[in-house]
Amino acid sequence: EDQVTQSPEALRLQEGESSSLNCSYTVSGLRGLFWYRQDPGKGPEFLFTLYSAGEEKEKERLKATLTKKESFLHITAPKPEDSATYLCAVSGGAQKLVFGQGTRLTINP
Amino acid sequence: EAGVTQFPSHSVIEKGQTVTLRCDPISGHDNLYWYRRVMGKEIKFLLHFVKESKQDESGMPNNRFLAERTGGTYSTLKVQPAELEDSGVYFCASSLLGPTNEKLFFGSGTQLSVL
Repeated sequence: EDQVTQSPEALRLQEGESSSLNCSYTVSGLRGLFWYRQDPGKGPEFLFTLYSAGEEKEKERLKATLTKKESFLHITAPKPEDSATYLCAVSGGAQKLVFGQGTRLTINP
Repeated sequence: EAGVTQFPSHSVIEKGQTVTLRCDPISGHDNLYWYRRVMGKEIKFLLHFVKESKQDESGMPNNRFLAERTGGTYSTLKVQPAELEDSGVYFCASSLLGPTNEKLFFGSGTQLSVL
């Protein structure tokens, strides 16, 4: 059974303090690993798709990396507007996403 | 461009009643998905339509849940009769067919409370 575990559950940072979020996964035949951002009262918003180990993608202050067992979302010099829940998901043989529980990120000014 | 629209945003019903949730996907998106997040748990897949056909309904909890997609456009998810454990946030998502089909666009969800 495909499974995704995210850590930490919650993370508080000061503005400008860089850190990383972890996503560990087990999947039979990875089609893609996805990162989403979710704000309170909203649905998940797509950030990145990674397809193979060694791949990296960047968007503004975010960079996602992928190995055969885990993915990291690196946040460089975050701002308060980066506060959100970050969700990791995998797609295996079927065309559906298996989500982790998310990391709730708070950036204090 | 309009995003995925879900209605209602909130619904409070009593156990045993019926509720129908509606989702309007992005125009031209043939893939439509329903997901659910119950309190304290991760978002979980319910089912997947390609146009008007059910492609995968392996995540539907039981036969009290019925999903339809009329003419390959909007979709409804009916819960009848509702039970306490059905409470949660129901998300709809859509995507294009083809190489970018796994880039899902989510609606803001329907918060369902069964009392």
